[in-house]
Amino acid sequence: AQSVTQPDIHITVSEGASLELRCNYSYGATPYLFWYVQSPGQGLQLLLKYFSGDTLVQGIKGFEAEFKRSQSSFNLRKPSVHWSDAAEYFCASGGDKIIFGKGTRLHILP
Amino acid sequence: GAGVSQSPRYKVAKRGQDVALRCDPISGHVSLFWYQQALGQGPEFLTYFQNEAQLDKSGLPSDRFFAERPEGSVSTLKIQRTQQEDSAVYLCASSLEATSGTDTQYFGPGTRLTVL
Repeated sequence: AQSVTQPDIHITVSEGASLELRCNYSYGATPYLFWYVQSPGQGLQLLLKYFSGDTLVQGIKGFEAEFKRSQSSFNLRKPSVHWSDAAEYFCASGGDKIIFGKGTRLHILP
Repeated sequence: GAGVSQSPRYKVAKRGQDVALRCDPISGHVSLFWYQQALGQGPEFLTYFQNEAQLDKSGLPSDRFFAERPEGSVSTLKIQRTQQEDSAVYLCASSLEATSGTDTQYFGPGTRLTVL
């Protein structure tokens, strides 16, 4: 069955530090993979998506993600976080329908 | 506006009341989705429309939940005889293409339903 796992419920990093949020998926075929961000009171905003081709995907706000089939992973990275990046991040897998992970809440220390 | 809008943004209902939640998708978008997001959880799929046709309602938790999109644009999610476990944020999303889970979805801000 299609599933998405985000192992970290909370992540805290200092402003200016690098960030990596983990995501593992389970899907029989080549997956469609997404990362969304949700700020308080806001709808989900798409950061980036992977369908095929280059396994390193660039997104908005300086985010990137790398698809690794051998590890069934699609981790989100940013080289230097800003205080405004504090939010909830959701990894999702698309197929017959979109399945979301439970999310990782990112906290930024000043 | 150019985005997906939802109304009301907040709804408080007494247990047993019926509620109706509205979604205005982006103009021209073929597909429309409803999700339920419980506190501390990711969104969970409820139902999917392609134009006015409801092609997948496998996520609706009970027969108290009903969704419609009669003219292929605005959609309404109705919950009858609300229960406390229905308390959640209900998210609507739309996408341009006639696909169920592969096209980019654009989300509205959600309706937070609290059942007392």
